[in-house]
Amino acid sequence: GENVEQHPSTLSVQEGDSAVIKCTYSDSASNYFPWYKQELGKGPQLIIDIRSNVGEKKDQRIAVTLNKTAKHFSLHITETQPEDSAVYFCAAHGNEKLTFGTGTRLTIIP
Amino acid sequence: DGGITQSPKYLFRKEGQNVTLSCEQNLNHDAMYWYRQDPGQGLRLIYYSQIVNDFQKGDIAEGYSVSREKKESFPLTVTSAQKNPTAFYLCASSQGMGQPQHFGDGTRLSIL
Repeated sequence: GENVEQHPSTLSVQEGDSAVIKCTYSDSASNYFPWYKQELGKGPQLIIDIRSNVGEKKDQRIAVTLNKTAKHFSLHITETQPEDSAVYFCAAHGNEKLTFGTGTRLTIIP
Repeated sequence: DGGITQSPKYLFRKEGQNVTLSCEQNLNHDAMYWYRQDPGQGLRLIYYSQIVNDFQKGDIAEGYSVSREKKESFPLTVTSAQKNPTAFYLCASSQGMGQPQHFGDGTRLSIL
């Protein structure tokens, strides 16, 4: 089955700097890659997603890049703000289900 | 306001007891899912349903059961056979398989 690895597990950045979270996947048939943000005591919220026919997608301060050949995808957050502090999960969709990474706890230092 | 409602927010189970977690969606989505989240781990799929009256086991279905009698409802029962039920349980829905999944705010289950 699919295996998704996510790095780093924790990340601290100064407010205003950029943050990058990376994921790799194992199943070359996976074709949909969402990113979720989870705040304490809440359910994950979809923040951006990308399909395998696209290499990059951007939404304001958030961008995702996908390298199908290397089987990795990354989340980029620019101009970070305190409200970006949360746990972020990547996921890969293949074989009828989503497989999630283990999460990255992002802390923005004021 | 469309969304997914999970209840209760907190639930306590005694040894040997079955408990049922509620999940209701008003997004008119065909597919619904149950995940389990443990500290430091990603979400693991328990059961999913692509359509009313049909559901499939996920990766960790043992000790759990579901039903899908109505499009908007997908309750999860944690049975006494589940030996380690303490976790955060998340319900999600999507228009179809491979479409964006939207999550509820979870139920935290603890053992008394």
